[in-house]
Amino acid sequence: DIQMTQSPSTLSASVGDRVTITCRASQSISSWLAWYQQKPGKAPKLLIYKASSLESGVPSRFSGSGSGTEFTLTISSLQPDDFATYYCQQYNSYSSLTFGGGTKVEIK
Amino acid sequence: EVQLVESGGGLVQPGGSLRLSCAASGFTFSSYSMNWVRQAPGKGLEWVSYISSSSSTIYYADSVKGRFTISRDNAKNSLYLQMNSLRDEDTAVYYCARVDTAMVIDYWGQGTLVTVSS
Repeated sequence: DIQMTQSPSTLSASVGDRVTITCRASQSISSWLAWYQQKPGKAPKLLIYKASSLESGVPSRFSGSGSGTEFTLTISSLQPDDFATYYCQQYNSYSSLTFGGGTKVEIK
Repeated sequence: EVQLVESGGGLVQPGGSLRLSCAASGFTFSSYSMNWVRQAPGKGLEWVSYISSSSSTIYYADSVKGRFTISRDNAKNSLYLQMNSLRDEDTAVYYCARVDTAMVIDYWGQGTLVTVSS
């Protein structure tokens, strides 16, 4: 199975900060990577697919980059609504989907 | 508007069984592959199972293989997860989730809580 490693696991930041979250795959997944945002008690919400494509309706301050095994999610200017947990997920093969362990973005 | 509504969760003893359902609306259910994904309390997301639009392709995570069965009824716009031989570690919120044409999971239900405890 492909393992997904996210870092950091927790991130403290202030409104207006530029935030970067990294996701590393144990083997190449081309660009088959998605990023989700989850708030407490809610279902995950798709932000980015195919590593860098912005889902419709998602603010442009969110961006994704990378291919192969190294990926990043960047929030250009953190807003109060962005404090949440973020997960990467590889969908290179549906026989075994895997998620990263999550990154909790907290208020500094 | 795409809607996915799970039901069937509850408290069950170890070794017991439960059947989850997911009612889909707002899209042509028969054209989309679906997944079950779970989240243990305070933990991350774990993929459980995948079923293609016609049920011709099915996959399971190793942790549930041989115990859980995914199925769908396209005439009823419904997805199911039959869970047998339940263990404490199966305690989680279970989400049904749609796979869009770009092969990414794009919509999730609100989840149903399954608690396995004696």
